[in-house]
This record gives sequence, structure tokens and C-alpha cells, in this order.
Amino acid sequence: AQSVSQHNHHVILSEAASLELGCNYSYGGTVNLFWYVQYPGQHLQLLLKYFSGDPLVKGIKGFEAEFIKSKFSFNLRKPSVQWSDTAEYFCAVTLNTGFQKLVFGTGTRLLVSP
Amino acid sequence: NAGVTQTPKFQVLKTGQSMTLQCAQDMNHEYMSWYRQDPGMGLRLIHYSVGAGITDQGEVPNGYNVSRSTTEDFPLRLLSAAPSQTSVYFCASNSGGVFNEQFFGPGTRLTVL
Repeated sequence: AQSVSQHNHHVILSEAASLELGCNYSYGGTVNLFWYVQYPGQHLQLLLKYFSGDPLVKGIKGFEAEFIKSKFSFNLRKPSVQWSDTAEYFCAVTLNTGFQKLVFGTGTRLLVSP
Repeated sequence: NAGVTQTPKFQVLKTGQSMTLQCAQDMNHEYMSWYRQDPGMGLRLIHYSVGAGITDQGEVPNGYNVSRSTTEDFPLRLLSAAPSQTSVYFCASNSGGVFNEQFFGPGTRLTVL
């Protein structure tokens, strides 16, 4: 069965620090990859997605992610975080078939201190 | 468009009670899903539907029922609530196909005593 691993459960950074959140998935076929963000008290919003093509994907709010097929990874990065980036971040994967049955990682809570 | 709406936002139940969580979308999406979010476990798929009249089980379906009589609505029923069902429930929809994004509702926080 598919699974998604997020190794960092809690991350604390100061403003302007660089961010990298790890995500690895276990599936050998063609997958679609997503990062979602959940700000405190809000619902999930899509940060970025990868389906095919350029493995470096740019999303909203200055986030980007790199798909490395050989490592089954899809790490999220941001060069300089802001206090407003405090949120929980979820990596998710779907099979590249019909219905998008999303499989989520366990999430990473990011706290950015001003 | 309102997007995906869920009611209620908060609910407290006693063990054994039943209730229905409502979900509606106004985007004419074929696909709808229910997830539960628990600390340290991410989101897990409960049930999903690929169109009116068609539903299927997800990863954690036990204790929940769904039906899809219209494209817009996808209610989730708890038949006999248990403390293990204390969670935050999210409904989502998408228009289908591999290139489409899931849109999530604001969630329902359910506590079962």
C-alpha cells in the first residue's frame, strides 16, 4: 500500500531562516504529489503540486518543492520564512489514475518565531 | 461560489448517539470525499464518491455511512458514536481527472464523550 512519510513532526525556526521539510513516499508507479498547508483554525489549502515535467515546482507564497524520483522524495523548501508561515504542512500523494484518493503524511508543525 | 461547506462546525455527542455531518459543494464536482484528521496521523480517507449514487470505502470506513443522492451533497453518518470517533472531519471535492485539485471544507470538530 502507498504510504507517505514526513520525518519532521515539529520544526521551529526564526524569521528569515530557510526551510526544508522532508517527504518520502512508497510507491513505484506514476504518482502525483502535493503539499497542503493548514493555517491555525483553517482548512487545508493547496501549496503546490507535481504531475509531470520540470521536477522543481513553484507554489504560492514563495514555496517550492523538488521531485527526486530516484529517492522517492518531494521535499518542500522556502528560502526565507515569515511568521505568517506558522502552520501545519502535509505532503500527499495520489496514484496517476482516475479518482484522486489522496494519501497524506502525518504532517509537520512549523512554528516561526518573530 | 461558496466552495465546500460543512455543518456543524462543532459538535459534542454522547457515546451511542447518532448524527449526520453535512457537506455540500457548489462547484458541480463529481468526486467528493470524507477525511478525518487526528494528531500525529495526518488525514485518513473514510469514504468517497465518484458521482451521484456511487460511493466506496476508504481507509477507515468502520462506524460511518455515506450516501450521495445529488451531486452537491455528501453527508456522513455516524450510526453509534464512540470516543474513538473524536476527531476533526473534512469534506473535499474535485472535478475528477488526475490534474485536478481537491478543495477542502472548513471542517467539523467532533467530540464524543
